[in-house]
Amino acid sequence: QSVLTQPPSASGTPGQRVTISCSGSSSNIGSNIVNWYQQLPGTAPKLLIYSNNQRPSGVPDRFSGSKSGTSASLAISGLQSEDEADYYCAAWDDSLNGWVFGGGTKLTVL
Amino acid sequence: EVQLVESGGGLVQPGGSLRLSCAASGFIFSNYWMSWVRQAPGKGLEWVANIKQDGSEKYYVDSVKGRFTISRDNAKNSLYLQMNSLRAEDTAVYYCAPGDNFDYWGQGTLVTVSS
Repeated sequence: QSVLTQPPSASGTPGQRVTISCSGSSSNIGSNIVNWYQQLPGTAPKLLIYSNNQRPSGVPDRFSGSKSGTSASLAISGLQSEDEADYYCAAWDDSLNGWVFGGGTKLTVL
Repeated sequence: EVQLVESGGGLVQPGGSLRLSCAASGFIFSNYWMSWVRQAPGKGLEWVANIKQDGSEKYYVDSVKGRFTISRDNAKNSLYLQMNSLRAEDTAVYYCAPGDNFDYWGQGTLVTVSS
């Protein structure tokens, strides 16, 4: 049972916009920044979004992040087949004194 | 180019020990918090521990407290994880990652705890 809650799966067709939610609490998302990671099949994770809505250089602007209260979302517009991957949210938890991850969302491009 | 190379994984019996290493290059190692994150086979990501730039602060996930010790050698640009009293549930790929955002990831090293 992960501290941050994500839907286990999401799907969309090429060109569509999909969103992935991440729900937490006041001790994590509610008081700290949220990061998102993309893990392509068989590879290491990669930082996708940091500080709620910032993209590292090289990440397409099709990817965007937002946060409101104790929840965060990752949006992917113009869905492409290469976006098929697992996506994880993460935040520092002030009560646990550690980083917590969501359980991950497997995105399928139909 | 940032490079993170984890090593030291392998097969170990329950109750045994392993020491993981992470060799970092391409960034100023001593300027960054460093973390270990693990991923059990077919499962999600789990943060394990992190350490401040000068080693003065360390934090651990509850499940490894008292068994794992994180350390670093800034002169060698290296991060370590001493793992004792290993359990089957510690079986995972272990990654090291720098910064508050886990900006970069290596390919990881696989630890298998099994008799």
